[in-house]
Amino acid sequence: QSVLTQPPSVSAAPGQKVTISCSGVSSNIGNNFVSWYQQLPGSAPRLLIYDSDKRPPGIPDRFSGAKSGTSATLDITGLQTGDEADYYCGTWDNSLRNVVLGGGTKVTVL
Amino acid sequence: EVQLLESGGGLVQPGGSVRLSCTASGFTFTTYVMHWVRQAPGKGLEWVSAISAGSGVSTYYADSVKGRFTISRDNSKNTLSLQMNSLRAEDTAVYYCAGARSLIQFDYWGQGTLVTVSS
Repeated sequence: QSVLTQPPSVSAAPGQKVTISCSGVSSNIGNNFVSWYQQLPGSAPRLLIYDSDKRPPGIPDRFSGAKSGTSATLDITGLQTGDEADYYCGTWDNSLRNVVLGGGTKVTVL
Repeated sequence: EVQLLESGGGLVQPGGSVRLSCTASGFTFTTYVMHWVRQAPGKGLEWVSAISAGSGVSTYYADSVKGRFTISRDNSKNTLSLQMNSLRAEDTAVYYCAGARSLIQFDYWGQGTLVTVSS
């Protein structure tokens, strides 16, 4: 059971948009930045979004993040077959004094 | 180019020990928080441990490994380590090291090393 809650899967056709939600509580998302990671099949994860809405160099602007209250979202627009991957959210939990991660969301391009 | 190279994984018996290492290059190692994150076969990511930047005076552990695993860093060798004792079958996973500018994110990832705990 993950501390942060993500839907197990989302899907859409190429070119469409998907939104992945990440739900927490005040001790984690409510008071800390959120980061997002993409894990392509057979590969190590990579950082997609940090500080809730910032992209590292090299990450396309098709990926965007937002945070409101105790939830965060990752939007992927202009969906491509190469976006098929598992996506994870993460943050710090002030009560647990731990990094906490979501259970992951599998994105399928139909 | 940033590189993180893990080593030390393999097959270990339940109750046994193993020491993982991660050698970093391409960034200023001393200024980065370092993490270990693991992934059991077919499962999601699980954060394991973190050590603060600089001298590594602060360490953090997931409850599942607290008291059994010890994280450390050697800034003179740009190396992160994870000493894993009293291993259990549920510790079987790919272990990734990750470098971060803060505790709450993982900027750079290694390719991982597989630890299998089995008799």
